[in-house]
Amino acid sequence: KNEVEQSPQNLTAQEGEFITINCSYSVGISALHWLQQHPGGGIVSLFMLSSGKKKHGRLIATINIQEKHSSLHITASHPRDSAVYICAVRSETSGSRLTFGEGTQLTVNP
Amino acid sequence: DARVTQTPRHKVTEMGQEVTMRCQPILGHNTVFWYRQTMMQGLELLAYFRNRAPLDDSGMPKDRFSAEMPDATLATLKIQPSEPRDSAVYFCASGLVFLDRGLGTEAFFGQGTRLTVV
Repeated sequence: KNEVEQSPQNLTAQEGEFITINCSYSVGISALHWLQQHPGGGIVSLFMLSSGKKKHGRLIATINIQEKHSSLHITASHPRDSAVYICAVRSETSGSRLTFGEGTQLTVNP
Repeated sequence: DARVTQTPRHKVTEMGQEVTMRCQPILGHNTVFWYRQTMMQGLELLAYFRNRAPLDDSGMPKDRFSAEMPDATLATLKIQPSEPRDSAVYFCASGLVFLDRGLGTEAFFGQGTRLTVV
């Protein structure tokens, strides 16, 4: 079993839909990251969370430490949101290293 | 506009050749990571440095890979000799970690070096 699991693996949505991507992890963590990788390959850090909720524009990330679960929400989705979204955790004992989920491929159709 | 810069962006080489990838971290960041991404394995940590000292390189095949930080503005990842299974995208990322407070910034990623070994 992977330490970090994401669901769904693939997600197709229509423009304007509300999207949720989930991440579950099995270790104690000091932080959780949500990353976005576009088709060109570049990786952008969207959020770093250790508790609660963060919001940037149409993106919202939440984390429940007790349940070892995080969600990434996209409101009013747009085709330019199409990308791979990756959850990564920094465990309490691993120093700065990140353990990655396998990613969720999101496609938003116009 | 601060960013992590990696060179080259693409590299095609023959099996057995030496490959050197370079990374310029964001000025002031004290932690530098090397990651490899393949279709089969996804993203994997190869090595990371704190204040130029290697802290963890357990993800790296030691017989052929080496990572160094000759100075605070340059990190290198070298493969010698290269093999076809090394074909992947190699990402460098940097961040700032406040050791005394157990806090850190997000990791900022470079654009990656796409390596193809034929």
